[in-house]
Amino acid sequence: DSGVTQTPKHLITATGQRVTLRCSPRSGDLSVYWYQQSLDQGLQFLIQYYNGEERAKGNILERFSAQQFPDLHSELNLSSLELGDSALYFCASSDGGSTLVYGYTFGSGTRLTVV
Amino acid sequence: QKEVEQDPGPLSVPEGAIVSLNCTYSNSAFQYFMWYRQYSRKGPELLMYTYSSGNKEDGRFTAQVDKSSKYISLFIRDSQPSDSATYLCASSGGSNYKLTFGKGTLLTVNP
Repeated sequence: DSGVTQTPKHLITATGQRVTLRCSPRSGDLSVYWYQQSLDQGLQFLIQYYNGEERAKGNILERFSAQQFPDLHSELNLSSLELGDSALYFCASSDGGSTLVYGYTFGSGTRLTVV
Repeated sequence: QKEVEQDPGPLSVPEGAIVSLNCTYSNSAFQYFMWYRQYSRKGPELLMYTYSSGNKEDGRFTAQVDKSSKYISLFIRDSQPSDSATYLCASSGGSNYKLTFGKGTLLTVNP
């Protein structure tokens, strides 16, 4: 157990729908990162939050949004889902300070299947 | 051009072989280099990290960075079937903490 908790583990939904993925960071970590992993694109950075504030944005679609709450858990909202959104979505966390040296810790992911 | 390029393999070796996994990167601002290991249906886990150029050894694993050629390597000695996984290189630098990953190399070590 890495200490980063992601729910749900699996999600199957229809095109056009909206889903919410949840992440609880490791105790003491202030930063949360969201990544999308697909076979053809690999791990793609979506967005980072630090202590409730957005810090960095990657290739996140406008249909996707995220937030980090005062208790530091984060949610990734995916709307108007398309077949191409099917992927593994990972959350990772770090203390926000030593990440550059030590990397960050990943959760076990949410497998999203859009049908 | 992607910032971090990695040969996706797959790579299949016999048990006990020396494995060499490689990446190249294009962003000169990258200073921190990491290797993650990802087992099937699991999240990536940090295996090795290095700062700037040089070698770092941890047991059977050696990470090597050559900033002059923008080349990152991971060597696995005496490979074991339990090393079978996808290996991802990652780099970071600049003003944010975003890690940029290669696509990963799938390694299978056959008993």
